[in-house]
Amino acid sequence: AQKITQTQPGMFVQEKEAVTLDCTYDTSDQSYGLFWYKQPSSGEMIFLIYQGSYDEQNATEGRYSLNFQKARKSANLVISASQLGDSAMYFCAMRAGTGNQFYFGTGTSLTVIP
Amino acid sequence: KAGVTQTPRYLIKTRGQQVTLSCSPISGHRSVSWYQQTPGQGLQFLFEYFSETQRNKGNFPGRFSGRQFSNSRSEMNVSTLELGDSALYLCASSFDRWGNEQFFGPGTRLTVL
Repeated sequence: AQKITQTQPGMFVQEKEAVTLDCTYDTSDQSYGLFWYKQPSSGEMIFLIYQGSYDEQNATEGRYSLNFQKARKSANLVISASQLGDSAMYFCAMRAGTGNQFYFGTGTSLTVIP
Repeated sequence: KAGVTQTPRYLIKTRGQQVTLSCSPISGHRSVSWYQQTPGQGLQFLFEYFSETQRNKGNFPGRFSGRQFSNSRSEMNVSTLELGDSALYLCASSFDRWGNEQFFGPGTRLTVL
């Protein structure tokens, strides 16, 4: 069975500080993809970053980096230099399984404090 | 390039009615997936269409159905609406079924009274 777990319902971070959002996954597939999405209060899901299971280097996209630890089955999102506009829900997702569909975690609500 | 569009953005229906939601994917994208998002259940996968065929289906009753047209536009239909169907319905498109990214539309907020 495929599963994504996000254990932090809510997180607070001071503006300009870095923050790590946790994500663990469970799959028996050898090939899978891991994703992070941001959902502001407007509701639209915004793709942030992708990590393939065979990628040896951690993915980075601007201020976002994905700390991929395959043996521990974790795919934590690191946001550096937090900005007020980073306040949103963050979802970890995995693409895996015979249907190659997406599985989402329950999300982490991030609040950036000025 | 235009993003994923969903219509309508907001919808209010009463129990027992049926509803049709529409999704236009990014030009060139052939895979469309639908999700239901509620505060209690989070994001749940409904179904995926690729080349006009349903490729994948989540664990939802038969009241939820969908289709995809030759231009990749997709519709989902919910019949005999229940109060619990109130949710944000998100559509996402990707180039194919094996792509690295899904691009989401703004969603349709359905309220069932």
